[in-house]
Amino acid sequence: DSGVTQTPKHLITATGQRVTLRCSPRSGDLSVYWYQQSLDQGLQFLIQYYNGEERAKGNILERFSAQQFPDLHSELNLSSLELGDSALYFCASSAGLAGVSGELFFGEGSRLTVL
Amino acid sequence: GESVGLHLPTLSVQEGDNSIINCAYSNSASDYFIWYKQESGKGPQFIIDIRSNMDKRQGQRVTVLLNKTVKHLSLQIAATQPGDSAVYFCADSNNNAGNMLTFGGGTRLMVKP
Repeated sequence: DSGVTQTPKHLITATGQRVTLRCSPRSGDLSVYWYQQSLDQGLQFLIQYYNGEERAKGNILERFSAQQFPDLHSELNLSSLELGDSALYFCASSAGLAGVSGELFFGEGSRLTVL
Repeated sequence: GESVGLHLPTLSVQEGDNSIINCAYSNSASDYFIWYKQESGKGPQFIIDIRSNMDKRQGQRVTVLLNKTVKHLSLQIAATQPGDSAVYFCADSNNNAGNMLTFGGGTRLMVKP
């Protein structure tokens, strides 16, 4: 158990809809990262927050947004969903900035299926 | 976090043999490298890391080798066990890119009993 909690584990929705994925980082971790894992693209970095502030942005679509709240939990909002958005969405956390101080701790992911 | 459906290169080894998983990175400025293991139904899990001032680091049954000249990273698993069956990802970062981790495409390791 990594200590990172993601909900929901599975989500099925229709095209055009909007969903929110939730992540609680490990206790004490200030950084939260969102990754998308699809069939043909491996783990793609979406966005990172550090202590409530956006820190880095990857290949995140404009239809997607995220935020980190004062209690450090984070939400990833996906809107105007398309079939191609079907994927596993992972949240990860680290005490500081991964790549400087070490590893990311990943949750077990939220599997989104868009029909 | 299952990765069963991923279209990945596969390495098949006999139980008890050593495994070598390779990774090429493209950014010559990368200065930190990590290997992750993703078992079916779970998120990626840290295995071992190495900084660019080293060319080898050993853990329990695992060794990471770094060749900066050819931008190549490898993970060696000694005496491979069925529990090692998983997808393995390498990731790299560099100080100039805000230390953002960039993941490779992954390799599926299958251990035959």
